[in-house]
Amino acid sequence: DAGVIQSPRHEVTEMGQEVTLRCKPISGHNSLFWYRQTMMRGLELLIYFNNNVPIDDSGMPEDRFSAKMPNASFSTLKIQPSEPRDSAVYFCASSSQGAWGGYTFGSGTRLTVV
Amino acid sequence: QQQVKQSPQSLIVQKGGISIINCAYENTAFDYFPWYQQFPGKGPALLIAIRPDVSEKKEGRFTISFNKSAKQFSLHIMDSQPGDSATYFCAASYSRQLTFGSGTQLTVLP
Repeated sequence: DAGVIQSPRHEVTEMGQEVTLRCKPISGHNSLFWYRQTMMRGLELLIYFNNNVPIDDSGMPEDRFSAKMPNASFSTLKIQPSEPRDSAVYFCASSSQGAWGGYTFGSGTRLTVV
Repeated sequence: QQQVKQSPQSLIVQKGGISIINCAYENTAFDYFPWYQQFPGKGPALLIAIRPDVSEKKEGRFTISFNKSAKQFSLHIMDSQPGDSATYFCAASYSRQLTFGSGTQLTVLP
C-alpha cells in the first residue's frame, strides 16, 4: 500500500493566486480529513468527508477555502485567492470504517504564499 | 469540552533517560486514545494507542498509562534514543473523529 499520497510536496505562490492541493487516500478508506499545521495553532481540522460527502467543514477558515471529493480515491483543497497567512503545511489523512486504528496521514504539502 | 491539553510543550532528555508526556481531557465520551509521532517533513504517524478499559499498554520502549478517573493519560518512552527526537501528539477520539493535543517537541541528547 502506498499510503496517503499528497501533491505537490511544496508549493510557492504569489498572493492572490489560486492554489489547489491534492490527496489520494488509502484504497478502501472511506473517511478523509484535511488538516492545517502551523507553529502557532498546531494541527487544525479543516474539513472531513465520509463516503465522499462533506460532514463537517466548520474548520474551514474562510470562504476562500473549498474542498471537494469527487470520488473515493481523490480529494482537493483549493484556496482562492491565497494570502500570506495561508502559509502552512496542509495534511490529508484517511481512515477505515472497519477495524478502526486512527488516521493515516500523508506527508503533507508545504504551502508558502509570498 | 472537545479539548485535549498536552504538556510539556518541549522536552529535552539525555540518551537512556525516560521521556514523559502528559495529556488531559474533559469529554468522558472519548473512547480511543492514540499517540502520534511526527518527524520533520513527515506527517504524523500512529505510534501506540489505548482504549479506556485498560490502564496501561506497552509496546517495546513505549508505554501509555491511562487514568480514567482523573481523565489523564501519558506516554512514557523508556531508554530514550536520539532517533526518538520528534514531535509527539496525543489525541482522543469520539465517533471516530480525533481531537489532537498541541504537541510536544522531544529532543534526546546523545
